[in-house]
Amino acid sequence: NAGVTQTPKFQVLKTGQSMTLQCAQDMNHEYMSWYRQDPGMGLRLIHYSVGAGITDQGEVPNGYNVSRSTTEDFPLRLLSAAPSQTSVYFCASSYSHISILYTEAFFGQGTRLTVV
Amino acid sequence: DAKTTQPNSMESNEEEPVHLPCNHSTISGTDYIHWYRQLPSQGPEYVIHGLTSNVNNRMASLAIAEDRKSSTLILHRATLRDAAVYYCILRDVGGSNYKLTFGKGTLLTVNP
Repeated sequence: NAGVTQTPKFQVLKTGQSMTLQCAQDMNHEYMSWYRQDPGMGLRLIHYSVGAGITDQGEVPNGYNVSRSTTEDFPLRLLSAAPSQTSVYFCASSYSHISILYTEAFFGQGTRLTVV
Repeated sequence: DAKTTQPNSMESNEEEPVHLPCNHSTISGTDYIHWYRQLPSQGPEYVIHGLTSNVNNRMASLAIAEDRKSSTLILHRATLRDAAVYYCILRDVGGSNYKLTFGKGTLLTVNP
């Protein structure tokens, strides 16, 4: 049981390049989400999904796209990378969008992204 | 979301108990209290959660004040592996935005 797997672990991009951060979970979880973590700040929600085919914006969605074609995968796309998107990105999943309120969320190990 | 207040940092010695406080004076009756921790260079990890009663699991205990305006995460015997940032988070069962709001947390240092 791998839990939540994020790839790549590290990435350097040039300004203007696009890329996709991958997130996969093997726990049949309905709810998946993406956070970013910047130095000295807590995690901030980018986008989330309550099930396949359903996504919604979090508090910092600008510059990012998501889709959820399967239960297992929730990729995060950077359309045109900017230095302000340099951050550590975490993907999380939970059994359902209701259960995250009173059970645990599982987080991946993170992707450290640098945009130069 | 109701706000939480935690000390920026705390220190403990290995094999001693650690009490990590969290104030949440504006907590509502439907807010669950969650604790997560983040070890260096890792993603957050669930620790424990509760609503009104004290809770115990293999990792820690959660003591909730009778008026629910504060709670304490208790690590019974700290180990070096417990050195992490600990986050106290409130989640409203009645809310429609299904996110965990992470503050800055408490950085726990464990001395050998």
